[in-house]
Amino acid sequence: QVQLQESGPGLVKPSQTLSLTCTVSGGSISSGGYYWSWIRQHPGKGLEWIGYIYDSGSTYYNPSLKSRVTISIDTSKNQFSLKLSSVTAADTAMYYCARDLCGGGCFDYWGQGTLVTVSS
Amino acid sequence: QSALTQPASVSGSPGQSITISCTGTSSDVGGYNYVSWYQQHPGKAPKLMIYDVTNRPSGVSNRFSGSKSGNTASLTISGLQAEDEADYYCSSYTTSNTLVFGGGTKLTVL
Repeated sequence: QVQLQESGPGLVKPSQTLSLTCTVSGGSISSGGYYWSWIRQHPGKGLEWIGYIYDSGSTYYNPSLKSRVTISIDTSKNQFSLKLSSVTAADTAMYYCARDLCGGGCFDYWGQGTLVTVSS
Repeated sequence: QSALTQPASVSGSPGQSITISCTGTSSDVGGYNYVSWYQQHPGKAPKLMIYDVTNRPSGVSNRFSGSKSGNTASLTISGLQAEDEADYYCSSYTTSNTLVFGGGTKLTVL
């Protein structure tokens, strides 16, 4: 059974960089064919796709966040990561990592989510 | 990219059927068979209910079904049960290898 777990600071100061890691267990992140994704949800709001990385290392980002986002993968640790720079209060949200099995938004496994608050 | 359009809320009585729509454009819903539906209970991560427009993952009840016509996809839940009360989101692949979600629909079981 594949499991995903987000980790990282729950509080980030404005203008700083938000950094989160997703650890995958129960399967190899490099087993092939999956898109490892980050999705966020503002409090009381809907879901927003941030981006994903294919196991080849190719990345795809939400155009509205593209200038600030970097997603990377560490196959040796079975982890992938999110960096979001120059954060503001508008980046306060629940951040989820998820596995996309088709590349078209078929998120079959999700982490439990981690709340990140941007505040001084 | 704009969010896909879903009704803010729908409701139904136990045993009834309801349908949630998800409207996009020819650049997303209408252009690809990559539409998924997610169920989210309060405080929980979303759960995949339908993918590739009509496919159900293993373990998802056959009371859930998906379809698409033109730029609008639909999720139908038949034999409504109290446990179905949740928020539902659609998603679609778009041009330029990006994804977009709908705004979400709150389902109330009366």
